[in-house]
Amino acid sequence: DTAVSQTPKYLVTQMGNDKSIKCEQNLGHDTMYWYKQDSKKFLKIMFSYNNKELIINETVPNRFSPKSPDKAHLNLHINSLELGDSAVYFCASSRIQGTGNTIYFGEGSWLTVV
Amino acid sequence: ELKVEQNPLFLSMQEGKNYTIYCNYSTTSDRLYWYRQDPGKSLESLFVLLSNGAVKQEGRLMASLDTKARLSTLHITAAVHDLSATYFCAVMLSSNYKLTFGKGTLLTVNP
Repeated sequence: DTAVSQTPKYLVTQMGNDKSIKCEQNLGHDTMYWYKQDSKKFLKIMFSYNNKELIINETVPNRFSPKSPDKAHLNLHINSLELGDSAVYFCASSRIQGTGNTIYFGEGSWLTVV
Repeated sequence: ELKVEQNPLFLSMQEGKNYTIYCNYSTTSDRLYWYRQDPGKSLESLFVLLSNGAVKQEGRLMASLDTKARLSTLHITAAVHDLSATYFCAVMLSSNYKLTFGKGTLLTVNP
């Protein structure tokens, strides 16, 4: 079983469309994240939820809206897609409390806006 | 704002050689991570380092942490082609649980 799973893996869409990426983790973790990796491979955090509460909200256009229906799921909805949104979006999860907690990443969702 | 700097950003080495990747960070932190990423793939966790002087080893890779110097190193021993990948260090602040990544080191091991 995949620990952190994202769908879709590949997404090609036109400018102006609205799309969603879904993420689920089966590790029993309490914290989930969205990261964006650009064409230069730079990874930047976008959002984080702890027990369904938003705890990190970086400077991201408000066209991006995360939603966490429960601790195991964190979805990312993007409105009015722009060319610059093309990137790989990684979902991740971890257990915040305790020590030495690994952060597990999903396989990534490759978004191409044309 | 926490800054994480890795160097070198590009590393080409021959099989059998040793080398070290450096990761400096700007703010006191209590967790440092090393990840590996193969082209088109996800990030694979290599090490989590928590305390000053921590050293962890897995195969040909060894990571260490000096919290006073705000420096972590990833040492590669007798490199083999299979180690070719991009290696990221990342630092987490317990104040906000935000994981900040370095820019990554693209390692190419040549036969």
